[in-house]
Amino acid sequence: GAGVSQSPRYKVAKRGQDVALRCDPISGHVSLFWYQQALGQGPEFLTYFQNEAQLDKSGLPSDRFFAERPEGSVSTLKIQRTQQEDSAVYLCASSREGGGANVLTFGAGSRLTVL
Amino acid sequence: DQQVKQNSPSLSVQEGRISILNCDYTNSMFDYFLWYKKYPAEGPTFLISISSIKDKNEDGRFTVFLNKSAKHLSLHIVPSQPGDSAVYFCAASYTSGTYKYIFGTGTRLKVLA
Repeated sequence: GAGVSQSPRYKVAKRGQDVALRCDPISGHVSLFWYQQALGQGPEFLTYFQNEAQLDKSGLPSDRFFAERPEGSVSTLKIQRTQQEDSAVYLCASSREGGGANVLTFGAGSRLTVL
Repeated sequence: DQQVKQNSPSLSVQEGRISILNCDYTNSMFDYFLWYKKYPAEGPTFLISISSIKDKNEDGRFTVFLNKSAKHLSLHIVPSQPGDSAVYFCAASYTSGTYKYIFGTGTRLKVLA
């Protein structure tokens, strides 16, 4: 597609529910990133895929967070047993190549509110 | 430990004047820097980048300056326009090996007509 597409744009979950956030990167982009942006903060790195391989998951805040990209294109970020502190905008970004010095193209984000 | 800092949460500038947004970093391994602009309810969009082998990069009204010894970069917008009103994030990465960008907390720029 022309840009990075994320769904849902808005999600309200009750504490303890599981949620799944989807990212459709730009076609052919090798790298895919997930970032978490809390209110008033900058995006914070969660995880990185190169094709289907998850090369870095060091930013995932707990084992309740899980991401996958099974066919090297669409990715899903899953949060189990959501907590109020998980409320944030989850941004997905992709880039044409792997490695540094590449411009990330971001989606509009999925805003998660946990009640 | 915040490796990329934007110490000014907000900035107001008159239309037509220069906007200067600042960013400091602590990790001397960073060698690639970008600025992103973000409008409400949208994702960040890429504005301009600079490699550590340069000290200046210009693109139209936007110029980024890098001072490696001070671990400081700045974004100059000249002349500022009301459409430039947005939140600006600087981000840093090291190109040899890793790939993740570390973002600052952002500066909200308001350009007054």
